[in-house]
Amino acid sequence: DTGVSQDPRHKITKRGQNVTFRCDPISEHNRLYWYRQTLGQGPEFLTYFQNEAQLEKSRLLSDRFSAERPKGSFSTLEIQRTEQGDSAMYLCASSRDTGELFFGEGSRLTVL
Amino acid sequence: AQSVTQPDIHITVSEGASLELRCNYSYGATPYLFWYVQSPGQGLQLLLKYFSGDTLVQGIKGFEAEFKRSQSSFNLRKPSVHWSDAAEYFCAVGAQSGGSNYKLTFGKGTLLTVNP
Repeated sequence: DTGVSQDPRHKITKRGQNVTFRCDPISEHNRLYWYRQTLGQGPEFLTYFQNEAQLEKSRLLSDRFSAERPKGSFSTLEIQRTEQGDSAMYLCASSRDTGELFFGEGSRLTVL
Repeated sequence: AQSVTQPDIHITVSEGASLELRCNYSYGATPYLFWYVQSPGQGLQLLLKYFSGDTLVQGIKGFEAEFKRSQSSFNLRKPSVHWSDAAEYFCAVGAQSGGSNYKLTFGKGTLLTVNP
């Protein structure tokens, strides 16, 4: 396993700008997850894909957030019109059907 | 809805001392339970998991955890802590949906400091 890869590792942006994060899961994993972690908190579930289908979205995922997994491989998470409250670590994880989640190292977003 | 409580925000132990990190969960059925560790600026690494069977589970790095249904607990233990164990530890409960554990709910974490 080469592990879950996330890019960029750190993004600094100004309020109102759009940002996009990419996640490359472990190759044989069909499930992909996005979580958000703010300082002093545990990760919070955002959304989940099985292959290319987005099966669940958290209420935390406002209309400014969109996630895709077009070919059932890599995924992108886009945040439009960023706000300071969006500053967080965005974690991607992948798994097989009944296996544990393997997390990437995260993409840290700082909104100025 | 499931939830996880980690009562201790910060624990400090001396190197070589024993460690127990507490975790209590709330879930309506038999849970999937996990402990993850996170070093500063890094992602989460799985230490151990409980799905079913033996309630005492062994993990990596010498950690173990015991599932106690009557107490809704899944405490993490290590007999002798090493300085490299200093990190943040997260307990998580997974929803059993279609046989998978896709929606993990995490506690707020326990920060472990190890004194030399």
